[in-house]
Amino acid sequence: DTAVSQTPKYLVTQMGNDKSIKCEQNLGHDTMYWYKQDSKKFLKIMFSYNNKELIINETVPNRFSPKSPDKAHLNLHINSLELGDSAVYFCASSQAVGDYGYTFGSGTRLTVV
Amino acid sequence: DAKTTQPPSMDCAEGRAANLPCNHSTISGNEYVYWYRQIHSQGPQYIIHGLKNNETNEMASLIITEDRKSSTLILPHATLRDTAVYYCIVSPSNTNAGKSTFGDGTTLTVKP
Repeated sequence: DTAVSQTPKYLVTQMGNDKSIKCEQNLGHDTMYWYKQDSKKFLKIMFSYNNKELIINETVPNRFSPKSPDKAHLNLHINSLELGDSAVYFCASSQAVGDYGYTFGSGTRLTVV
Repeated sequence: DAKTTQPPSMDCAEGRAANLPCNHSTISGNEYVYWYRQIHSQGPQYIIHGLKNNETNEMASLIITEDRKSSTLILPHATLRDTAVYYCIVSPSNTNAGKSTFGDGTTLTVKP
């Protein structure tokens, strides 16, 4: 069983569209994250949720809206996509806040054309 | 929060030990050192972490200097599949922050 699964794996879309990426973890972890990895390969945290509550929002444009319906799911919705949003987005989870033994998903490669 | 410095790249011969250094000279007393690796096109993978004692697991060993200002990740018998970017990160001192920063990492290339 995949511990942290993301869908879709690849996403190609036009500028201005709205898209969502889904993430689910079956590890029973309390905390989930979204990271963005751009073309320079730098991994940067975007959001963190603990037990469905937002605890980190790293100055991400408000076109990005995370949603956590329960602690096993953290979805990312992006409005009005821009070329600069093209990147690989990784979902991750950890047992609790302060536990940095993350389990990452395999990533979603978003390409905005 | 402590920042880390790693060499951008290293090579290692297959079957030999790979020693990857990391400097974290501003680390605080309650901050842990974590190591991850990212194999091409995959998500980062947790390897090991430690506070001040040396640690070993089935993947690697972690040696932390006594002053805790640097550490070394050791892959005892590197294989071609160990070719990856290796990240050293330090957990923020504020455990409520829930965030960590991955730097540029070290690209390890294991050669036959």
